[in-house]
Amino acid sequence: AQSVTQPDIHITVSEGASLELRCNYSYGATPYLFWYVQSPGQGLQLLLKYFSGDTLVQGIKGFEAEFKRSQSSFNLRKPSVHWSDAAEYFCAVVTMKTSYDKVIFGPGTSLSVIP
Amino acid sequence: KAGVTQTPRYLIKTRGQQVTLSCSPISGHRSVSWYQQTPGQGLQFLFEYFSETQRNKGNFPGRFSGRQFSNSRSEMNVSTLELGDSALYLCASSLARGTSYEQYFGPGTRLTVT
Repeated sequence: AQSVTQPDIHITVSEGASLELRCNYSYGATPYLFWYVQSPGQGLQLLLKYFSGDTLVQGIKGFEAEFKRSQSSFNLRKPSVHWSDAAEYFCAVVTMKTSYDKVIFGPGTSLSVIP
Repeated sequence: KAGVTQTPRYLIKTRGQQVTLSCSPISGHRSVSWYQQTPGQGLQFLFEYFSETQRNKGNFPGRFSGRQFSNSRSEMNVSTLELGDSALYLCASSLARGTSYEQYFGPGTRLTVT
């Protein structure tokens, strides 16, 4: 069965430090990959997505992610974290079926930022 | 352009009752998807509507239903509420059909079942 794992439930980083959030998926083919961010009391906002092509994708708010087929991973990175980046981050995988697609979200990683 | 709006934002219901949640998508968006978010199960896909037809459905019981109107507004209904239905219900809209397209999420409706 398809699955998405985010090994880190909670991460704390200092403001200005670099960040990497991990995402691994289990699926026979390459799915569509997404990263979303959810601030408290808010819905989800799309940070970036990967469908095909260049395995390093740039997103909004200075985030980037790298798709590694051999590791079934799609890790999110940011070189310098800002206090406003504190939020919940979700990796999502969309697998294409014959007549519909199926979306699976990871459990999320909660990010805290220390001033 | 206005974002996705959901009403009401908060709701308290009693077990056995039914509830209807509303979602207004971004103007021009024809696809509306619904998700349930709970601490235990995380984010789970409920269903997607496109052009007033349910196009895709997650693994939820028949107590969960929805519909979409000609103006793309969507409603979600949960009948015979159970304590486990307490959750944040999120609605997302997109231009085209399918969750592979960029989705714009509303702030959600927080449902508490007592």
